[in-house]
Amino acid sequence: SYELTQPPSVAVSPGQTGSITCSGDRLDNKYVAWYQQRPGQSPVLLIFQDYKRPSGIPERFSGSSSGNTATLTISGTQALDEADYYCQTWDTNMVFGGGTRLAVL
Amino acid sequence: EVQLVEFGGDLAQPGGSLRLSCAASGFTFRDYEMHWVRQAPGKGLEWIAFINSGGSTISYADSVKDRFIISRDNAKNSLYLQMNRLRVDDTAVYYCASGYSTKWVDYWGQGTLVTVST
Repeated sequence: SYELTQPPSVAVSPGQTGSITCSGDRLDNKYVAWYQQRPGQSPVLLIFQDYKRPSGIPERFSGSSSGNTATLTISGTQALDEADYYCQTWDTNMVFGGGTRLAVL
Repeated sequence: EVQLVEFGGDLAQPGGSLRLSCAASGFTFRDYEMHWVRQAPGKGLEWIAFINSGGSTISYADSVKDRFIISRDNAKNSLYLQMNRLRVDDTAVYYCASGYSTKWVDYWGQGTLVTVST
């Protein structure tokens, strides 16, 4: 079955740019979405089709994909961005990465 | 405002059954693909089931195949998950999720907790 690999944790300083990667075989042939899940809350869609933002998502969240790796970039990181982030794609079924805990230190 | 509200989470015994429901509002339910996604305590997201907008295409994760049944009633704007032969490792928060495209989820419910234990 298809797998997506994310780093378990990433740390970023307030106001700085942080990036979370997501790796999978031939991932550039698939669409990638990203979700944010704050503690005790449901996930929220941040990015779909690799780089598109739903309405209401701040521009400081951006996505890209190249080769086997997709990347979520958060510019001007704020304390409220501290959350778990999941990448997701569709192979024969929906597949989620294991999640990355973003710490804003 | 889009709302997905799950019902039916409860404590069940191993080998037992539960039926989850999800009531949708604020969007044209019959036009959307629907999923169930679960999250075990302290763990990540796990997709478990999909049904297309018309109900004609269904798929399951291997972990629940042959035990769980996804269905929908477009006239009632509702999604269901019949969970049979429950196991301890089915313990999780179960989310109802919708997407205009099959390939991602636009909206998530608040989740309902299923606990399988003796």
